[in-house]
Amino acid sequence: KAGVTQTPRYLIKTRGQQVTLSCSPISGHRSVSWYQQTPGQGLQFLFEYFSETQRNKGNFPGRFSGRQFSNSRSEMNVSTLELGDSALYLCASSLLGQHQETQYFGPGTRLLVL
Amino acid sequence: GNSVTQMEGPVTLSEEAFLTINCTYTATGYPSLFWYVQYPGEGLQLLLKATKADDKGSNKGFEATYRKETTSFHLEKGSVQVSDSAVYFCALRSVIQGAQKLVFGQGTRLTINP
Repeated sequence: KAGVTQTPRYLIKTRGQQVTLSCSPISGHRSVSWYQQTPGQGLQFLFEYFSETQRNKGNFPGRFSGRQFSNSRSEMNVSTLELGDSALYLCASSLLGQHQETQYFGPGTRLLVL
Repeated sequence: GNSVTQMEGPVTLSEEAFLTINCTYTATGYPSLFWYVQYPGEGLQLLLKATKADDKGSNKGFEATYRKETTSFHLEKGSVQVSDSAVYFCALRSVIQGAQKLVFGQGTRLTINP
């Protein structure tokens, strides 16, 4: 079974631009979560989607948004990029998003904002 | 709120040494507990998990026991190898009213010297 895939793997943008990252979960998984990893803040939760609905959102500004499609694939968008948005963005999937389930992570998209 | 505290790194050991990485947590309810490992340039891989008190998770020689009385989930390995060099993250996962997320510790960088 294929793992979680994320595209693109690397991205360079300039301040003020917007970016869209994509995540394909493991086949059959309906819950997709996004995390931001930075050296200063560590791993922080962005949001979780289940059946095309956002179920939970972390403490990030409205510039960060996401969506999920009917095939469970998910995208996240960051508008008006700032230097501080440079990070590794990780996507994780699980079957139903229940607390005993394991979340499986993708390799991440490394975003550099210049 | 929920939080995870890991021992400060970096940790440097010689091959075949005994490893302990401390992890304590604060949470409402009964969270599931996880250890993830991150190798350079990669995403997170699940190392082991425990879903209820006194459960012991184990994988690849690593072990951790869910101790509710001390709110701890310390990672141990009897004899480390150079290939164990990575960053280790302790995490908890709780689901409240259908909304779930992983809360991570700050990570512990482990280096094993031959």
